[in-house]
Formats: sequence, structure tokens, C-alpha cells
Amino acid sequence: LAKTTQPISMDSYEGQEVNITCSHNNIATNDYITWYQQFPSQGPRFIIQGYKTKVTNEVASLFIPADRKSSTLSLPRVSLSDTAVYYCLVVRGYSSASKIIFGSGTRLSIRP
Amino acid sequence: GAVVSQHPSRVICKSGTSVKIECRSLDFQATTMFWYRQFPKQSLMLMATSNEGSKATYEQGVEKDKFLINHASLTLSTLTVTSAHPEDSSFYICSARAPSGGHPSTDTQYFGPGTRLTVL
Repeated sequence: LAKTTQPISMDSYEGQEVNITCSHNNIATNDYITWYQQFPSQGPRFIIQGYKTKVTNEVASLFIPADRKSSTLSLPRVSLSDTAVYYCLVVRGYSSASKIIFGSGTRLSIRP
Repeated sequence: GAVVSQHPSRVICKSGTSVKIECRSLDFQATTMFWYRQFPKQSLMLMATSNEGSKATYEQGVEKDKFLINHASLTLSTLTVTSAHPEDSSFYICSARAPSGGHPSTDTQYFGPGTRLTVL
């Protein structure tokens, strides 16, 4: 599985747009990119998933360039409740047994 | 989205006792579930892959005789921490992949809420 690299921490303010970039240089053809959010003492929560170009849902947008070696999670107008750890993961498709290996994640802190 | 539950949410036990943690997929069937462990301020560490009807696959460095995994049905996997010691105190999280169709296959992995184990 492709290793992911993302910033250890980021700070922002309420109402701002936050972009977290993740690099995954060795991503394979069958791999897709998934982002999770984790609050303290809770299991990770699925945010968004994509294969290429742009994906948007009610929570976030995911931008993936053509070479797929990186991706950017965009959180519009963050609030204090968005303070959490965000994990970028590369997941192998077509296999329900494909395991997920977590990297260090990005600790996002939102200030008033 | 799909829901994964865990029971208990927290447990405190004495050193030397065994503790069983249940992981259930509530609205989908999962032939494969995963068990993670997370220490404070650290990322999730994959312990093992639980396979329905067969033996679990353990990650390197995880003692299979200490962390017993049973995947009894398509909706239930259990993790038993045998002869628990204080160093086993951690946050244990399970997950399962739910098929979502689409191309390429975009199965999404859903996580349980976690179980806080404290060994005295």
C-alpha cells in the first residue's frame, strides 16, 4: 500500500477554509483516497473518498490531480467542532479484505 | 452510512484477567473485520484482520495467543485480551468494510466507537 505523508498539525480560525494536503507518491491504479476524522476517544469517522478529479459532499471537498500522487481535503468555513485529527488513507479497491494502514494524521486546531 | 458497534465502550479489569470485546456490523454483512489499537496521542495501529469462518491474520509483533480473535458470523467479531496486564491498557477499535458499488470498487471502511480498556 502507498505510504501517505501529511502535515503533523495545522491551525486555523472559525469561518476560514482549511485545506489539508496529503502526498501518496506510490499510489497504484486500483487504489483510492479516503479521508477520516477522529475526535478524542472515538472511532474514526468517514469524511470523503475519491479516485480522481474532484469529489464534493455536504461536509468537504476532495481534490485529486491527474497524476493522483497527492490529494487535498478542503473544509469550507470551519467551526470549533472541526478540531480533530484528520487521516489521509490510500485504500486498495476491489478487495473487501484490503487492510488500511494509518499514518500519523494531521491534528487540526480551530480557534475562535 | 453503515454502522459498526462495539461493546463494551469501556472496561476496567484486574491484571491477569481476560476481557472480551465485541464488534458488530449492524446493517450489513462483513466477511472481514479489522482490529486496531490506539495509545494516547498516537495513530491507530492495525493488530489483525478477522476473517469469517477462518483464522485471523495478525500483524507482525502482535501476539496471537494473547489477542484471540473469533469471527463467528458475518456480523460479529470478538477480540479477547487474555491475561491482561497494565501495558495492554489502550483504546481498541474495530472496523468493517461495507460494499457501496461504483467503479472502481469503493467499499468504505466504517469504524466502531472504540473500547477503552484499563487494566489495574
